[in-house]
Amino acid sequence: QQQVRQSPQSLTVWEGETAILNCSYEDSTFDYFPWYRLFPGESPALLIAIRPVSNKKEDGRFTIFFNKREKKLSLHITDSQPGDSATYFCAASGAGNTRKLIFGLGTTLQVQP
Amino acid sequence: GPKVLQIPSHQIIDMGQMVTLNCDPVSNHLYFYWYKQILGQQMEFLVNFYNGKVMEKSKLFKDQFSVERPDGSYFTLKIQPTALEDSAVYFCASSPGLGSTGQLYFGEGSKLTVL
Repeated sequence: QQQVRQSPQSLTVWEGETAILNCSYEDSTFDYFPWYRLFPGESPALLIAIRPVSNKKEDGRFTIFFNKREKKLSLHITDSQPGDSATYFCAASGAGNTRKLIFGLGTTLQVQP
Repeated sequence: GPKVLQIPSHQIIDMGQMVTLNCDPVSNHLYFYWYKQILGQQMEFLVNFYNGKVMEKSKLFKDQFSVERPDGSYFTLKIQPTALEDSAVYFCASSPGLGSTGQLYFGEGSKLTVL
């Protein structure tokens, strides 16, 4: 049973549009939700993260919307650029003495010029 | 930004042989991790290591697996003996801490193919 689910599996948008990547989770004790971005041939890199005390986190063109009651979150990429084309992973971890991240399968985003 | 280096990037070995995957974490980081990603599946946590000890391991971290970081050198994942199901990409990560500043920095992965 996947604890972190992402949809869609792949997404294509035109340059300038807003891409919306969805994520849901099972464990209500999760308290940290980072999004990692992976470009082909590179390493996964932290893009933006949120904790349940907030329902929104913004960083430039990237915004996380968080719904604790429904255990859902989404990553919005406004004014999408071809350079945003990558695989985006939603992850979650719970309180405790380790930073054990549970990853989703990822959403592959393609931004068409 | 800070880099985690992994060696080798790709290794092909025969089933039953031993393999060691090496990770050079970010220099001032204290926590080290290995994740496993089988083709088409998500990255899964294997083990977390701090102050010379395994802090937590998952059920994927079989008895044939071991980790160590002797004297601040490479953080290694050793598999002995290897099995076909060990074929995967293994990602190393490190972090400075565990709190809100505990961002994980990942390497590019070591692709292991067991024949």
